[in-house]
Amino acid sequence: TQLLEQSPQFLSIQEGENLTVYCNSSSVFSSLQWYRQEPGEGPVLLVTVVTGGEVKKLKRLTFQFGDARKDSSLHITAAQPGDTGLYLCAGKGTDTGNQFYFGTGTSLTVIP
Amino acid sequence: DSGVTQTPKHLITATGQRVTLRCSPRSGDLSVYWYQQSLDQGLQFLIQYYNGEERAKGNILERFSAQQFPDLHSELNLSSLELGDSALYFCASSDEWADTQYFGPGTRLTVL
Repeated sequence: TQLLEQSPQFLSIQEGENLTVYCNSSSVFSSLQWYRQEPGEGPVLLVTVVTGGEVKKLKRLTFQFGDARKDSSLHITAAQPGDTGLYLCAGKGTDTGNQFYFGTGTSLTVIP
Repeated sequence: DSGVTQTPKHLITATGQRVTLRCSPRSGDLSVYWYQQSLDQGLQFLIQYYNGEERAKGNILERFSAQQFPDLHSELNLSSLELGDSALYFCASSDEWADTQYFGPGTRLTVL
């Protein structure tokens, strides 16, 4: 089993603030994904990072994959109420079966 | 819309009963994954199928079983239901070598 720990578990910030969510493991992953989930709905893919050290930017969101492919971060600039949700990281394992391992989740609330 | 469909959207049943959840993967995807998400918990991996064969097993109870049919749709069977089985059940699909899986909208199971 390849475990992913996310921090912080809960985050409540004011609109316009910046934040960073971390996803850490002692295991190596062949790729890493970030999802956002709203209550009662399925996780929606935000990004997939594949190469160690890779940085991807989607508007106000910046995703980074660690050089050793064991960790990742999500940085949101000027958070908006629409960013509220549960953020999940998931790593594709290097074991057989191409299994995906999910992080513990970060619940973000952006207060208007 | 991820392209993954799940039925039914909601299911209410009594303890001791048996239910079947259905999932149709995205067109072309051969892998199907099943996850359980209980209140205040993250996504728990249950089982993965690839092209009709079981590929990986997670924390799936013996009362639960799944299968993937020749047309690639999958069913998750839950029997002898208990109150604690109440949860959201998600299906996801991916291509064999893809670094990403796509989630369906989920089935909310309530056991009374």
